[in-house]
Amino acid sequence: GESVGLHLPTLSVQEGDNSIINCAYSNSASDYFIWYKQESGKGPQFIIDIRSNMDKRQGQRVTVLLNKTVKHLSLQIAATQPGDSAVYFCAENNRGGSYIPTFGRGTSLIVHP
Amino acid sequence: EAGVTQSPTHLIKTRGQQVTLRCSPISGHTSVYWYQQALGLGLQFLLWYDEGEERNRGNFPPRFSGRQFPNYSSELNVNALELEDSALYLCASSPGTGEVAETQYFGPGTRLLVL
Repeated sequence: GESVGLHLPTLSVQEGDNSIINCAYSNSASDYFIWYKQESGKGPQFIIDIRSNMDKRQGQRVTVLLNKTVKHLSLQIAATQPGDSAVYFCAENNRGGSYIPTFGRGTSLIVHP
Repeated sequence: EAGVTQSPTHLIKTRGQQVTLRCSPISGHTSVYWYQQALGLGLQFLLWYDEGEERNRGNFPPRFSGRQFPNYSSELNVNALELEDSALYLCASSPGTGEVAETQYFGPGTRLLVL
């Protein structure tokens, strides 16, 4: 299958700043995207998802933006807190596909107090 | 509501041995997925079970196998362990409603170390 990648492997921010984590995907047929957070020693935790008929979706302190033209996905975290420190994965999937999402390697977010 | 549970949490084996990992999905979920996460790498898809049947398989050798039970729990078996099998094995579940592209919810994983 086609791969999903992340631009930045590590992102360091100060507590209270906004964080933006980016993801590029290559499968133009992808129509469902998910962001996961994985803390050290734990399994990935679902954060937010977005389908291709939308270009923006907001959750609690998080916003996902989807730009299908350039096949780019981003996760914005407002007022980043030390507890947000983790690895963030994006994943893509598509209708009529194998039902199996493709995950990127992840971006490590480090929040400095 | 309980999330996805996995057992054991940690496991140490030696080369050539066999291991069985277990997963219980979220109540009401019928689909179970297994992934391997080697250190520093992304999640690699292993197996997908739904309604007791294997629906899809990743690019892993046949010594990786599994099954799903009538209560939708699942086992992952790995035979003839190799050093490179050392990884975090993650199980995820989804409702399995038949709608494509469902959200998968992950368990805490089983960390396997092969010596």
